[in-house]
Amino acid sequence: ETGVTQTPRHLVMGMTNKKSLKCEQHLGHNAMYWYKQSAKKPLELMFVYSLEERVENNSVPSRFSPECPNSSHLFLHLHTLQPEDSALYLCASSQEPGTGNTGELFFGEGSRLTVL
Amino acid sequence: QKEVEQNSGPLSVPEGAIASLNCTYSDRGSQSFFWYRQYSGKSPELIMFIYSNGDKEDGRFTAQLNKASQYVSLLIRDSQPSDSATYLCAVNSGGSNYKLTFGKGTLLTVNP
Repeated sequence: ETGVTQTPRHLVMGMTNKKSLKCEQHLGHNAMYWYKQSAKKPLELMFVYSLEERVENNSVPSRFSPECPNSSHLFLHLHTLQPEDSALYLCASSQEPGTGNTGELFFGEGSRLTVL
Repeated sequence: QKEVEQNSGPLSVPEGAIASLNCTYSDRGSQSFFWYRQYSGKSPELIMFIYSNGDKEDGRFTAQLNKASQYVSLLIRDSQPSDSATYLCAVNSGGSNYKLTFGKGTLLTVNP
């Protein structure tokens, strides 16, 4: 069992659909993240939740809506996406960097999203 | 805009050679530096981190940091075909993972 689990692994949706990506971490971490990974671009941080509160929103369009009901679960709700939103969406978790802790990010396997 | 630059490659080396991966960053206040490895179709995983100027060795991997030159590198000794992957440089400028900036990654191919 991996420490960070994402579902679904693959998703194809039309521009008018509503769908959600789910992430669950089994590592006891206190922070969770959504990243977007597109071809030939750096990993882009989208949202950060620390202790279930959103602490970062990197100018992400409102058609992406995160939800963090508890410290182990993170959702990304998708609505009226555009074809350019097609990408790999990676969830990650970590303990915040501190004494004796590097703040290493543990990534899930990702959800490959295709918007038609 | 904080930037992390990497040569996208591909970098091709023969098995047993030393692979050298380089990364430069724009924020002079950056505090910690990470190398993640990402196999094709897989998620990134941390292989090295470094905070202080100089070298840090872990098995076949050596991370080198030069803050004055804003340069961090990863050396892989005795490269193996299983090292073939994309290597992502990440730089933390604020002590929190909210401030982590990734480079585009360098694709390394180790030829048997």
